[in-house]
Amino acid sequence: SQKIEQNSEALNIQEGKTATLTCNYTNYSPAYLQWYRQDPGRGPVFLLLIRENEKEKRKERLKVTFDTTLKQSLFHITASQPADSATYLCALGSWTGGFKTIFGAGTRLFVKA
Amino acid sequence: EAQVTQNPRYLITVTGKKLTVTCSQNMNHEYMSWYRQDPGLGLRQIYYSMNVEVTDKGDVPEGYKVSRKEKRNFPLILESPSPNQTSLYFCASSPTRDSNEKLFFGSGTQLSVL
Repeated sequence: SQKIEQNSEALNIQEGKTATLTCNYTNYSPAYLQWYRQDPGRGPVFLLLIRENEKEKRKERLKVTFDTTLKQSLFHITASQPADSATYLCALGSWTGGFKTIFGAGTRLFVKA
Repeated sequence: EAQVTQNPRYLITVTGKKLTVTCSQNMNHEYMSWYRQDPGLGLRQIYYSMNVEVTDKGDVPEGYKVSRKEKRNFPLILESPSPNQTSLYFCASSPTRDSNEKLFFGSGTQLSVL
């Protein structure tokens, strides 16, 4: 069955450092991959989308890579700030058999001042 | 302000008492979907709708019903709630019928079934 794995452990880093979050998937051929941010008690908020034919995408301090051979995406936050502390969700989308986005369980990021 | 609005925010009910969670979006989106979020399991899709009067099952549809009579509204109905439906529920919408890229989520409904 399709499976998405994100770092189950929380990630603790110091302010100013680069945070790197991992998303691995199996039994899936996504057309695109998304990253969302979720704050406690709130709904997820879309951050970035990268398509299967793209290797890297950047937006301000955020960078996403997508390796369809390794079946892995890396999500980087450079010059991290305490305000970046949140849970980050990886999501895969496909147009096969209808439009469906499946989500990973998320990685909790803590940025210490 | 463009948004997806869910109500209620919190709901405590008892087993078997029918309930409806409302969802409304003001962005004229064609695609709408319901998810439940449980610790360690991520978001799981319950039902989705590609357009008015068009709905389809997601991964965990058992025990739920939906309807899409109007483009802006997509209510989630639990005819006979059970404790295993205690969860955090999210409604989401997307701009185009042909893709659910960039989902916009509501603030969530925390449901407890006793």
